[in-house]
Amino acid sequence: EVQLVESGGGLVKPGGSLRLSCAASGFSVNNAWMSWVRQAPGKGLEWVGRIKPKTEGATTEYASPVKGRFTISTDDSENAVFLQMGSLKTEDTAVYFCAAEGYSYGYHSFYDWGQGTMVTVSS
Amino acid sequence: QSALTQPASVSGSPGQSITISCTGTSSDVGFYDYVSWYQHHPGKAPQLLIYGVSNRPSGVSDRFSGSKSGNTASLTISGLQADDETDYYCSSYTYSSRVVFGGGTRLTVL
Repeated sequence: EVQLVESGGGLVKPGGSLRLSCAASGFSVNNAWMSWVRQAPGKGLEWVGRIKPKTEGATTEYASPVKGRFTISTDDSENAVFLQMGSLKTEDTAVYFCAAEGYSYGYHSFYDWGQGTMVTVSS
Repeated sequence: QSALTQPASVSGSPGQSITISCTGTSSDVGFYDYVSWYQHHPGKAPQLLIYGVSNRPSGVSDRFSGSKSGNTASLTISGLQADDETDYYCSSYTYSSRVVFGGGTRLTVL
């Protein structure tokens, strides 16, 4: 059974940094495209970015609002995905979900999700 | 990459059918058959309803169906039930290898 568990959320000041973790079980993150999706309070879902498996060059792509500030990486030994967030802005306040893109049903769909972790950027 | 356009809200009575539209561009919805639909209860993880425009994951009711024409995809929910009342989102893979979501639609069951 695929499981994803996020951690690392919390309160951080504008301009600060935070690292989110997503521990995977039931599959290897090295066999999947792993994405981060966020939802700001009262807003809709927003794709943040993705990392491809090492077999595909561990290529990353990011949404425009976070490009240059956020970095996604994986650790095979921990079977985990990370979202390193820097130069944080108040508009980055959101629940952050990790999700396996296209793993269970293909077509770049998100069937497997974590429960989310809250990030609050405030002074 | 702009969000896909969905109506902010739709409503229907129990037993009726409703359709939620999702309009993109020729660089996303119109380019690929990689449109998905999600049901999202606040505070929970989104649930995949439709993938690849019109396919249902195992366990999803056949009351949910999807289609696409040009740059617009649609989700139809038939036989509306009270517990269908929540938020619905579409998403599409894009020409630039990213994913874009719709702004979300709140369904009210009258």
